[in-house]
Amino acid sequence: DAKTTQPPSMDCAEGRAANLPCNHSTISGNEYVYWYRQIHSQGPQYIIHGLKNNETNEMASLIITEDRKSSTLILPHATLRDTAVYYCIVTNRDDKIIFGKGTRLHILP
Amino acid sequence: KAGVTQTPRYLIKTRGQQVTLSCSPISGHRSVSWYQQTPGQGLQFLFEYFSETQRNKGNFPGRFSGRQFSNSRSEMNVSTLELGDSALYLCASSFWTSGADTQYFGPGTRLTVL
Repeated sequence: DAKTTQPPSMDCAEGRAANLPCNHSTISGNEYVYWYRQIHSQGPQYIIHGLKNNETNEMASLIITEDRKSSTLILPHATLRDTAVYYCIVTNRDDKIIFGKGTRLHILP
Repeated sequence: KAGVTQTPRYLIKTRGQQVTLSCSPISGHRSVSWYQQTPGQGLQFLFEYFSETQRNKGNFPGRFSGRQFSNSRSEMNVSTLELGDSALYLCASSFWTSGADTQYFGPGTRLTVL
């Protein structure tokens, strides 16, 4: 079973920040939080990952709560091209990677 | 760097046949993982190979097998195809280090079993 819980779908207006939540209450100390997205039957694309500190790259920001039981992926200025299924994954890479159902993000023009 | 490549991109087979799918990882990557994606079950982990050895295995029947070559290229084989094997098969490669290790996915092979 997936180690994460995500809302099945979310809407966001184009140009606004998209905040995608993820719960991972059973995360272990050596497990990282990864985010990937999949655009309509293409291969999933890596977005960002983190252990306990907040992270930012050119695509997004990742905010991890202090207790590490949840995190939020932030797309600062959503565009129509950000419409995709977003997957939050918790793993230490010694274990197999388990994808959940993800969140289907709709960007509204 | 070239990305992960998968061949063929599309494949049509009939029940009972067997199929072999190929994956070429990003240069320098030594880990290759395989996933099956269907509308009903989503993305499911099949197996992972590192340095020609299977590191992890998902919950799939023995009809699904794989291997990795010394150049890190990988193949997966499905024998005695069933209608339910129709899916998008995705390959991902990574350098693999314990802890943080990003996977890079190929475009997938879409298999249709008739």
